[in-house]
Formats: sequence, structure tokens, C-alpha cells
Amino acid sequence: AQSVSQHNHHVILSEAASLELGCNYSYGGTVNLFWYVQYPGQHLQLLLKYFSGDPLVKGIKGFEAEFIKSKFSFNLRKPSVQWSDTAEYFCAVTPLRGGADGLTFGKGTHLIIQP
Amino acid sequence: GAGVSQSPRYKVAKRGQDVALRCDPISGHVSLFWYQQALGQGPEFLTYFQNEAQLDKSGLPSDRFFAERPEGSVSTLKIQRTQQEDSAVYLCASRYRDNTEAFFGQGTRLTVV
Repeated sequence: AQSVSQHNHHVILSEAASLELGCNYSYGGTVNLFWYVQYPGQHLQLLLKYFSGDPLVKGIKGFEAEFIKSKFSFNLRKPSVQWSDTAEYFCAVTPLRGGADGLTFGKGTHLIIQP
Repeated sequence: GAGVSQSPRYKVAKRGQDVALRCDPISGHVSLFWYQQALGQGPEFLTYFQNEAQLDKSGLPSDRFFAERPEGSVSTLKIQRTQQEDSAVYLCASRYRDNTEAFFGQGTRLTVV
């Protein structure tokens, strides 16, 4: 079975700081990778996804992530954060088996941006 | 509707009571998932439907949990004889087909007292 590890449970940054949230997964085969965001009081929304191709993936709101296969990592980055980025961020993986696999999530990172 | 809709948004149940949680997926989405999210944790997979067929229920924590999707659209997650450890947010997600994005509902927050 696959698993996902997010390195930081709580991150506090000032506005305009750069962000990098770590994500590592364990699975022996090919995977699809995702970052979801959950703003306070709202549902999970997809930030970006990697299925194949260019390992540097750009998502919404200026976020990007890089898939490094050799490191089993899919870290999320943003060059300059805003107060509105305060949210819970989840990394998730699903095996590329073309079958009925649900997402396996990490425990999440609670990001707080101070004005 | 435009998104995945879940009802009720909040449910308080007395221990031992049965509850039923509803999910309306996005129209035309074949796949439907249920997840359980405990406080401070990431969502944990419960079960998966492809149309009306329940293809994976390996994540259901006990035989008190039961899910159905009889006509391949709306799904119901039923929890019998609720226990305090069942308190969590129950999330439903749907996707058009394999290897596409899953869309999540806002969840039902279940509190068992």
C-alpha cells in the first residue's frame, strides 16, 4: 500500500516570504500526485496535479510543484505568499493502475501567513 | 449541480444512534469516494463506487459502516450504533473517470455524544 509523508505540520510565514512544503510518498510503481488546499470553512480544492510529462507542474494561485522520481518527492512551492494563502495543504497520491484507487493523503500542513 | 453536495453539513448523534449521510456527486461522474477525516488528520479512504458497483470497501473501519449507490448517482453512507470514535468529517468526492481530478464536497461533520 502507498503512504504519504508531509514534513511540516505547522508553518508560519510572513507575507512575501517564499514557501516550500515537503511531501514524500512510498509506492513501488507509477503514481499520480496531487496537492489539495482547504481554506477555512471550505471544501478541499485541487491546487495542482502531476500525471506525466514535465515534472515541474504549475497550478492555481502561483503555486508549483516538482516531481523528483528518484527522491519520491513532490514538494509544493510559491515564491511569495499572501495572507490569503492561510489554509491547510494536503499532498495526495494514487497509483497509476487504471483501476479503482482512491487518494492516499498526507496528514496535512497548516500554513499561517502573518500580515 | 455545479459541485459535489453533501447533507447534512452537521450531525450530532447520541451514542448508539444510526445515522445516514448523503452525497450528490457531480452529474455524469462515474466514480464516487467516501473519506473520513479526523481532527488534525488527512482524509482517510473508506470506500469507492464505479457507477452503482462498490468496487472497494477496504477502508470501512467496521461492519457498522455501510455505503450504497443504488442508481449510480446519489450515495449514502450509513453508520449503525454510532460510537464516539466515529466523530469526524465525512467527505465525498467524485470524478469523471480514472486518472482525472476528484472533486470534493464540503463534508458532513459528525459528532457523537
